[in-house]
Amino acid sequence: ILNVEQSPQSLHVQEGDSTNFTCSFPSSNFYALHWYRWETAKSPEALFVMTLNGDEKKKGRISATLNTKEGYSYLYIKGSQPEDSATYLCAFCPGGSEKLVFGKGTKLTVNP
Amino acid sequence: DSGVTQTPKHLITATGQRVTLRCSPRSGDLSVYWYQQSLDQGLQFLIQYYNGEERAKGNILERFSAQQFPDLHSELNLSSLELGDSALYFCASSVGGSLGLQETQYFGPGTRLLVL
Repeated sequence: ILNVEQSPQSLHVQEGDSTNFTCSFPSSNFYALHWYRWETAKSPEALFVMTLNGDEKKKGRISATLNTKEGYSYLYIKGSQPEDSATYLCAFCPGGSEKLVFGKGTKLTVNP
Repeated sequence: DSGVTQTPKHLITATGQRVTLRCSPRSGDLSVYWYQQSLDQGLQFLIQYYNGEERAKGNILERFSAQQFPDLHSELNLSSLELGDSALYFCASSVGGSLGLQETQYFGPGTRLLVL
């Protein structure tokens, strides 16, 4: 059974703080890692798809890094804003499989 | 708006019944994925179709089935419903098939199913 772990489960920060959270996945047989942002009452929205070890992707104030050898990815948010409040999901796809395995997410709350 | 549509938005039914959930992918996307989000569970992959053919299967129960039609819309059929089937069901689409997992998946708004 493939295990994708996200930590922390939840996080409260103040507006303007920078924050980061972790996604851990099996380090063998890597194919792709996805990050999604899921706001309450909406559907998950893709942030990044990462495929190469050492990859770093950026979208505005949000960036992500990938280490496939040790099986982790970090998501960073610089200068958090209340509108960043959401659950951030990562999903791992092992090679030879056609399916994404999702973590349970990190719920971020940014207080004004 | 992701461009993926799902109907109905909400569905309330009784145990033992059968329901059909519908999904229309983004224009140009050939792959459709179905996911189930239950309380306290992460998103669980159910099944994928690519251009009308079943591509991959996840933890889909035998009481559930899906298909993708020539116009690429997809339906997820849930039968002999049990209380535990109450969940949010998402459909997602992407352009490709096996390479679809290295591509962005676009999620629909979901169908919330309540089985009483």
